[in-house]
Amino acid sequence: KNEVEQSPQNLTAQEGEFITINCSYSVGISALHWLQQHPGGGIVSLFMLSSGKKKHGRLIATINIQEKHSSLHITASHPRDSAVYICAVGGGADGLTFGKGTHLIIQP
Amino acid sequence: EPEVTQTPSHQVTQMGQEVILRCVPISNHLYFYWYRQILGQKVEFLVSFYNNEISEKSEIFDDQFSVERPDGSNFTLKIRSTKLEDSAMYFCASNGGRMGTSYNEQFFGPGTRLTVL
Repeated sequence: KNEVEQSPQNLTAQEGEFITINCSYSVGISALHWLQQHPGGGIVSLFMLSSGKKKHGRLIATINIQEKHSSLHITASHPRDSAVYICAVGGGADGLTFGKGTHLIIQP
Repeated sequence: EPEVTQTPSHQVTQMGQEVILRCVPISNHLYFYWYRQILGQKVEFLVSFYNNEISEKSEIFDDQFSVERPDGSNFTLKIRSTKLEDSAMYFCASNGGRMGTSYNEQFFGPGTRLTVL
């Protein structure tokens, strides 16, 4: 069974700062997902990646398969980025295994 | 843009009652999932569904739970006799399942908050 660990659990930063959230997992995977959960509870998929790097706007996700590690970066952070960011692995027939999430607060 | 919908948004029930949570996945998607999130905890996988049958289920998904796709559009989760510990947010998700792989971006519904009294 895959164990997914995220760090930090909580992060408060000032607007404009560069943010990094880390994720490590214990067993080799076919896909890793970064998700965003809003205060109301809704979950939105940000990225799915199996190798290398993906970029969407101010968000960048990287994965190192050999080290079983992924990072999510936010450049030029903004208060609207405040949310819980969740790393999850898998997603095939056996569904996703989730980390506990990183609570991010961006202060103006 | 296509989206996954869930009804109701909030369900309150008495312990021991049956509840049915409903989901309408994105229409051309092939894989369907139910997840739950107990307040303050991480999201947990319950069950996956493909080709009109269960693909995988977790140890949480015991005999009290069942899933069904009765009409080709709705995807339901039934809890036969609810317990206090079933109180949680239940999320439905679907993915497109490109040929040769089931590993695709998952699209989540807004969730149903179930409160068991």
